[in-house]
Amino acid sequence: AQTVTQSQPEMSVQEAETVTLSCTYDTSESDYYLFWYKQPPSRQMILVIRQEAYKQQNATENRFSVNFQKAAKSFSLKISDSQLGDAAMYFCAYSKGGTSYGKLTFGQGTILTVHP
Amino acid sequence: EAGVVQSPRYKIIEKKQPVAFWCNPISGHNTLYWYLQNLGQGPELLIRYENEEAVDDSQLPKDRFSAERLKGVDSTLKIQPAELGDSAVYLCASSLIRDTEAFFGQGTRLTVV
Repeated sequence: AQTVTQSQPEMSVQEAETVTLSCTYDTSESDYYLFWYKQPPSRQMILVIRQEAYKQQNATENRFSVNFQKAAKSFSLKISDSQLGDAAMYFCAYSKGGTSYGKLTFGQGTILTVHP
Repeated sequence: EAGVVQSPRYKIIEKKQPVAFWCNPISGHNTLYWYLQNLGQGPELLIRYENEEAVDDSQLPKDRFSAERLKGVDSTLKIQPAELGDSAVYLCASSLIRDTEAFFGQGTRLTVV
């Protein structure tokens, strides 16, 4: 079974600084996807960034980028120029490809606090 | 465009009572998901629909949970009877087809007392 582990229950960062959230996963599949979701107090899960396992290039979305280390099964999220609105719970998630796409396996989450 | 709409936002019931949650996906999205999120944890998939068909319900506790998606649009998740351990957030999500981004609703927070 696939597992996703986030070893940092909480992280904090100063506004405008950079923070990195860690995630490791375990799978024997070759076709899979990795995601970072943000969940603010409103509870609505918002997709931050997605990485296809077959792509070597790390995904980037504005201030958000990932460091995808396939051999090490590591998938970290870097937030640059942190803003107060980035404060939320962040979840790393995995999805097998093919017909199982959309069945997300989530990590335990990391609470990110942004200090002004 | 309206997002995924769930109701109610909050529900408090006594144990052994029935409860139902409703989800209206984004228009045109044929794939719908129900996730369970316990406090301080990541969501876990309960059931996934493609149109009217439940294609993955292996994690749904069928002794007390049931779901339906009539006409392949709205969906209802029911618990009967509810237990104290069912207190959690129930999230609904939808996607255009299975391999596109899933959009989540704001969830229903259930408290069983």
